[in-house]
Amino acid sequence: AQKVTQAQTEISVVEKEDVTLDCVYETRDTTYYLFWYKQPPSGELVFLIRRNSFDEQNEISGRYSWNFQKSTSSFNFTITASQVVDSAVYFCALRRGSTGTASKLTFGTGTRLQVTL
Amino acid sequence: DTAVSQTPKYLVTQMGNDKSIKCEQNLGHDTMYWYKQDSKKFLKIMFSYNNKELIINETVPNRFSPKSPDKAHLNLHINSLELGDSAVYFCASSQVSGLAGGPYYNEQFFGPGTRLTVL
Repeated sequence: AQKVTQAQTEISVVEKEDVTLDCVYETRDTTYYLFWYKQPPSGELVFLIRRNSFDEQNEISGRYSWNFQKSTSSFNFTITASQVVDSAVYFCALRRGSTGTASKLTFGTGTRLQVTL
Repeated sequence: DTAVSQTPKYLVTQMGNDKSIKCEQNLGHDTMYWYKQDSKKFLKIMFSYNNKELIINETVPNRFSPKSPDKAHLNLHINSLELGDSAVYFCASSQVSGLAGGPYYNEQFFGPGTRLTVL
């Protein structure tokens, strides 16, 4: 069975602080895909990144960076110099690496990030 | 230019009524999904269609019936609405694209959500 754990329910930081959102996953598949989505207060779900299990390179996109470590089954997300606009609920998700019924996303419970001035 | 759209955005109705939510995507994707987000923000898959064929049907009451008239549309009909059906329902779509070495599964793009409130 697939499982995603986001142990941090809520994080509060002051603007310009760096913050890391943790994601730990469980799967028996050798091929799988990991995702991060952002849900701002307006409610939509915004895709941030996809990572394939066979590509352990970390990725940086502006102030966002992701650290994928298969050895610890973790896919952590760091925001550098956080801003108020980063305030949102962030979801980590897992997808199996096959078709059909495996195409669904299994989501973590989300981490609410509050960035204040 | 909206990629995945849903109507209506808000739906308030009485217990026992029947209602539908519509979803359309203009991304040319071959797979569409319905997810339910409860009051604690937990997101769970309900259904998925691939090229109009039902491929995922999670443990959902049979009062919920999805219909996919074509690849670009996936509607959700709910009969005899109950208080516990109150939630935000998200439609999503994705495309499996082939690359050298095998399939490559792309991310799912979500609609804006439909907030259903059952009174």
